[in-house]
Amino acid sequence: EAQVTQNPRYLITVTGKKLTVTCSQNMNHEYMSWYRQDPGLGLRQIYYSMNVEVTDKGDVPEGYKVSRKEKRNFPLILESPSPNQTSLYFCASSTPGGNNEQFFGPGTRLTVL
Amino acid sequence: GEDVEQSLFLSVREGDSSVINCTYTDSSSTYLYWYKQEPGAGLQLLTYIFSNMDMKQDQRLTVLLNKKDKHLSLRIADTQTGDSAIYFCAERNDYKLSFGAGTTVTVRA
Repeated sequence: EAQVTQNPRYLITVTGKKLTVTCSQNMNHEYMSWYRQDPGLGLRQIYYSMNVEVTDKGDVPEGYKVSRKEKRNFPLILESPSPNQTSLYFCASSTPGGNNEQFFGPGTRLTVL
Repeated sequence: GEDVEQSLFLSVREGDSSVINCTYTDSSSTYLYWYKQEPGAGLQLLTYIFSNMDMKQDQRLTVLLNKKDKHLSLRIADTQTGDSAIYFCAERNDYKLSFGAGTTVTVRA
C-alpha cells in the first residue's frame, strides 16, 4: 500500500531534550516536506527536500533540522525543543510532475512541556 | 510571499449545498487545490484545478476559479454528514504549497 508513515504519532517531552520524528514513504517520491499545523494558522512549511541530499528552508524553519540521506526517509530533528514547538506535524511527499499531489502522513502530535 | 485566506467556519444543513471560499495572492500559481482533513487524520487531496481552467466538476464537487479576482471556491452538492471536516485551500508555486487556515464544515441534521 502506497503510504507515508510517521513515528511517533504522539510524543510528550520536556524543554531541551533532543528528539527526532521519522518520516518514510514507499512511493519513490523525489519531493518530501514537513509542515506544522496550528489552530487558525493552517499548515506552514518547515523544510522541504527536492531529492537526496537536497534540502531547503520553508516558512518556519527556526528550531528545526532535517536530513535526506535516502530517498524514502526525511526525519525532522528538534535539537532543543521549546514549548512553542508544541504542534501537530505532518510529513508529505510527491512527484514533481503532473498535478503534484502531496501525500500526507497521519501526523505527529508533539507536546513540549 | 504567498497568502491564502479562507473563512474559518461553515455550518450547513444535511442535503443542502456547501460553498467554501478562498482567496490567494500569487498570480503565478500553477495549480490550486482543495484538501480535506477528517478528525485525527492527515490531509487528503479532494480535487484540484489547473490555473488555466475556470471550472472543474467531479461528482458532487465543483471548483470555480476566478483568476482575475484570485478567488477559488469549492461547492459540495447534497452535503452529507461524512462531509464534516476541515477543508484547506492551497496554491502551488513551483514545488511549494501554501495553505489557508482551513474551513471547518459542520453538517447538521
